[in-house]
Amino acid sequence: NAGVMQNPRHLVRRRGQEARLRCSPMKGHSHVYWYRQLPEEGLKFMVYLQKENIIDESGMPKERFSAEFPKEGPSILRIQQVVRGDSAAYFCASSPDKGGELFFGEGSRLTVL
Amino acid sequence: LAKTTQPISMDSYEGQEVNITCSHNNIATNDYITWYQQFPSQGPRFIIQGYKTKVTNEVASLFIPADRKSSTLSLPRVSLSDTAVYYCLVGDLIQGAQKLVFGQGTRLTINP
Repeated sequence: NAGVMQNPRHLVRRRGQEARLRCSPMKGHSHVYWYRQLPEEGLKFMVYLQKENIIDESGMPKERFSAEFPKEGPSILRIQQVVRGDSAAYFCASSPDKGGELFFGEGSRLTVL
Repeated sequence: LAKTTQPISMDSYEGQEVNITCSHNNIATNDYITWYQQFPSQGPRFIIQGYKTKVTNEVASLFIPADRKSSTLSLPRVSLSDTAVYYCLVGDLIQGAQKLVFGQGTRLTINP
């Protein structure tokens, strides 16, 4: 049973470009969470999704950031018009149920030049 | 959301028992206590979870006093590979795992 798969592992973008981060949850998991981690800091919750629905996006910046979890395919975190402050590690986690154990991926490290 | 306070860093030696204490003075009735471990350049990994008294699994033990205002993660006979950041999280899991808030964690360093 493969774990949570994130890609790309590393992504470099110039200011103003778009970044797309993908997350495939563990098999059988329908709950997906995205977190952002700055160096030497803890993870900050961004958004919680179930298939085709955003359940909680209270941690998501109001502009430039969006997330989806379509019926088919991976969850996508999209950052438009990236700025240097978006440079961080973005982690995806999945769980089999609402309050269950979170299984994290290896993260996607975004660097904005 | 219940705020947690834990030491920024700790040092120990191989073979020792390590206890990391977390304070959560305003924990709510429905809140659970969960600990995660994170190695450099990796995502966090679940260690243990509890509501009250003591919970033990193959990796660690979690001690929670009656007032639940603190908890202690106990790692028996640590090895070098236990060097990691340990996060204490408190939240109402009925509302969803996203209610668990990651703080700065405790950076544990195990020395030979």
